[in-house]
Amino acid sequence: GESVGLHLPTLSVQEGDNSIINCAYSNSASDYFIWYKQESGKGPQFIIDIRSNMDKRQGQRVTVLLNKTVKHLSLQIAATQPGDSAVYFCAETRSNDYKLSFGAGTTVTVRA
Amino acid sequence: DSGVTQTPKHLITATGQRVTLRCSPRSGDLSVYWYQQSLDQGLQFLIQYYNGEERAKGNILERFSAQQFPDLHSELNLSSLELGDSALYFCASSVAPRGVSGNTIYFGEGSWLTVV
Repeated sequence: GESVGLHLPTLSVQEGDNSIINCAYSNSASDYFIWYKQESGKGPQFIIDIRSNMDKRQGQRVTVLLNKTVKHLSLQIAATQPGDSAVYFCAETRSNDYKLSFGAGTTVTVRA
Repeated sequence: DSGVTQTPKHLITATGQRVTLRCSPRSGDLSVYWYQQSLDQGLQFLIQYYNGEERAKGNILERFSAQQFPDLHSELNLSSLELGDSALYFCASSVAPRGVSGNTIYFGEGSWLTVV
């Protein structure tokens, strides 16, 4: 079965507000995590990644937080824009595994 | 544009038929991954190749097979197609064989397969 999952399948956000998308994983051996964004009709697009020896990483308008104690990952999007409307996936892998395992995805809709 | 090229973009075929999906990885990438995305299953890992050799296998059906050629392009062969095989098939590529920091896995735009 899946080793990663998202708390909510959908998220509606007012334009300009911050978005928080959550993801839980089950395997304590997972050592690398990635967030992807998938727009309608397109392939998943890399957003940001984080290794298990870190608890926070920042990119442009995005921040990923990793809490290994509770096996929780989150993606924060600052000042959400209409172009942020998409499905967001968390994915994980581990040192003894070559594949990337994806969660089910959260659909983010930005309200004008 | 991720640099990963997939053809065809759309394909409609009948049950029982066989199709081949093609993928050209990003320039310099040695590893190719195939994923299946359906509405009820999300992104499911199928198989991975690195420099021509199979490295990892996921939930790939026996009716499906893949290979990576010396020029690093890859093909996914789907045979005896069933209605349930209708899905979006993604190819992805990376430089190194596994997902690690600095080895970003880039996805193509996918091949839409409809089995009727």
